[in-house]
Formats: sequence, structure tokens, C-alpha cells
Amino acid sequence: QVHLVQSGAEVRKPGASVRVSCESSGYTFTDYFIHWVRQAPGQGLEWMGWLNPDSGVTNYDQKFQGKVTVTRDTSISTAYMDLNSLRSDDTAVYYCARALPAAGTPLDYWGRGTLVTVSS
Amino acid sequence: SYEMTQTLSVSVALGQTARITCGGDKIGSKNVHWYQQKPGQAPLLVIYKDSNRPSGIPERFSGSNSGNTATLTISRAQAGDEADYYCQVWDSSTDVIFGGGTKLTVL
Repeated sequence: QVHLVQSGAEVRKPGASVRVSCESSGYTFTDYFIHWVRQAPGQGLEWMGWLNPDSGVTNYDQKFQGKVTVTRDTSISTAYMDLNSLRSDDTAVYYCARALPAAGTPLDYWGRGTLVTVSS
Repeated sequence: SYEMTQTLSVSVALGQTARITCGGDKIGSKNVHWYQQKPGQAPLLVIYKDSNRPSGIPERFSGSNSGNTATLTISRAQAGDEADYYCQVWDSSTDVIFGGGTKLTVL
């Protein structure tokens, strides 16, 4: 059974950084891209970028370039999303999700989300 | 960049049919996916590639896509269908794009 297990909630001050992890199980980690999606309180879904766990190649939405870095450790089937220079408007639930490595494929399994709160 | 438009809210009487639309330029030429999100939960894929249901999704959920509109149809709506619904496509310039979401209320 496919599972994406995310790390727990985090609280950071403005200007700090945060790392969210996403551990995959139940499938071959390198066969699926990992996507990161965030949702600010009361708002919709916002795509941030994807990681190809096989090659380590990443692609970020233009809005998040320089803001987010996604990496992985294939030995433990885990992807990491680092967010830097945090601001109050980065307060959101951050989700990881998987998708086959082809354009047009859906995000078929999601993690439960990690709440990141940025507050002084 | 590509944009999609969803109605903010849709209401449906219990047991009736709800239709949630996603508008976009020539969206009929794209693969549209639909996600259901209940409060405090992660999104759940309910329709992929316009009209396909993942395993475990009831047959009451169906989808269509043509021209400039994709539609998610929920037949015999139940109280448990109350949720936010998001459409999603891939675009060559922006990769993954979500619609703004539609809140479904079952009366």
C-alpha cells in the first residue's frame, strides 16, 4: 500500500528556514516524481515544484525559484523540501504527492500535509 | 500562463446531481484531473484524465471534457460529498496548474 508520510508541524520566525520531509513506502521511490503543493489558510492549492527522485532533477514554479529547494535520499526513500527566508505569507500546509514521470499524469497519492507557521 | 476558472460554490439537494465546472481555453485538448478535499484532509484524486475513476471512487463520480469546459458530475449526492473540489491540468509553460476550487454544499 502506497504511503507518503510527512514530518510534523513546524513554527519558525520570519527570516528563518524550514525543512519538511516526505517518506515514501509501498512502491519504488525512483519510479515516480514527488511534487510539492502548498495551501495557505482558507485558500486553494498552489503547485510549487517537482523532483525526479531517480536523477535528482528538479523543476520549480517561477514563483518559488530561489525560495525552495527539493532534494532526496534514495537510500531511505525520502524527499525533502527546504524553504528559506520565511515570511508570514509562507504560513501554509505543505503537501507532497507523487505522479508518474510524464506530462499530464495525476497526483495520485498525497501525504497528509505539514503545517508550517511563520510568526514572530 | 494557462488559467482555469471554477465557480466558487455549488449547492445540490441530497440525492440530486451536482455539476462542477472548470473553464479554460481549449481545455478539451488537455488531460483534466479532479481532486476532492474535505476539511483538515489532504486532497484525494477522484477523476483522472477527464473521465477515469481511481480504484475505490464510487461510480457516482464521473467526468467529461470538451471545448472550453471540463465537468465533474456527482450523481445521487450524499452528505459525505460535501468538500472542496479542484481541477488540475498540466501546461507546457507552468507544469501543474490547479483551478481555484469549488465548495460543494449538499442541502
